[in-house]
Amino acid sequence: DAGVIQSPRHEVTEMGQEVTLRCKLISGHNSLFWYRQTMMRGLELLIYFNNNVPIDDSGMPEDRFSAKMPNASFSTLKIQPSEPRDSAVYFCASRGSTDTQYFGPGTRLTVL
Amino acid sequence: KNQVEQSPQSLIILEGKNCTLQCNYTVSPFSNLRWYKQDTGRGPVSLTIMTFSENTKSNGRYTATLDADTKQSSLHITASQLSDSASYICVVSLNTGGFKTIFGAGTRLFVKA
Repeated sequence: DAGVIQSPRHEVTEMGQEVTLRCKLISGHNSLFWYRQTMMRGLELLIYFNNNVPIDDSGMPEDRFSAKMPNASFSTLKIQPSEPRDSAVYFCASRGSTDTQYFGPGTRLTVL
Repeated sequence: KNQVEQSPQSLIILEGKNCTLQCNYTVSPFSNLRWYKQDTGRGPVSLTIMTFSENTKSNGRYTATLDADTKQSSLHITASQLSDSASYICVVSLNTGGFKTIFGAGTRLFVKA
């Protein structure tokens, strides 16, 4: 089992550029969560999907952030335009029939 | 206000010693409480999950306790190993019909040889 796969692992970009983060769920899981982690704010839930449908996006900081789940196993988190304060580690987590979330390795985003 | 507070913020112990991490919460309505371990540069990994009716749960050398009356939880690590060096995050979920979680800031544990 490959676990949750995230790409890229590291991203460095300039302010104003579009950033797309990708996540592949564990096979058979039906819930996906996007988190952001910073030293100042810790872990924050951005959005979660259940069966491809966004259930709660109240954690998405602003309209520059958008997330999609085009199929049952894949999701993208897009930031357009990116800003330096978006610099963080972005985690994707997958959940199946149990209550346990399995986190991916994260994408470290640096916006210059 | 729903909050999860963890203490201490950081802790240094010698290999082989025991330690206890604390988590106090003011979350309502309570659904469950999880402890996660996060190694540097990796995503969090679930250690334990407890519902309202459970007051202790073990996972190897990790034992979590929950006192729903005082809204306190602890994570006890027995016979610490160097690989226990990590951040330990307490997460409380609300019973609101959706998925609402409150994260603690974590305790950073350093185990020294």
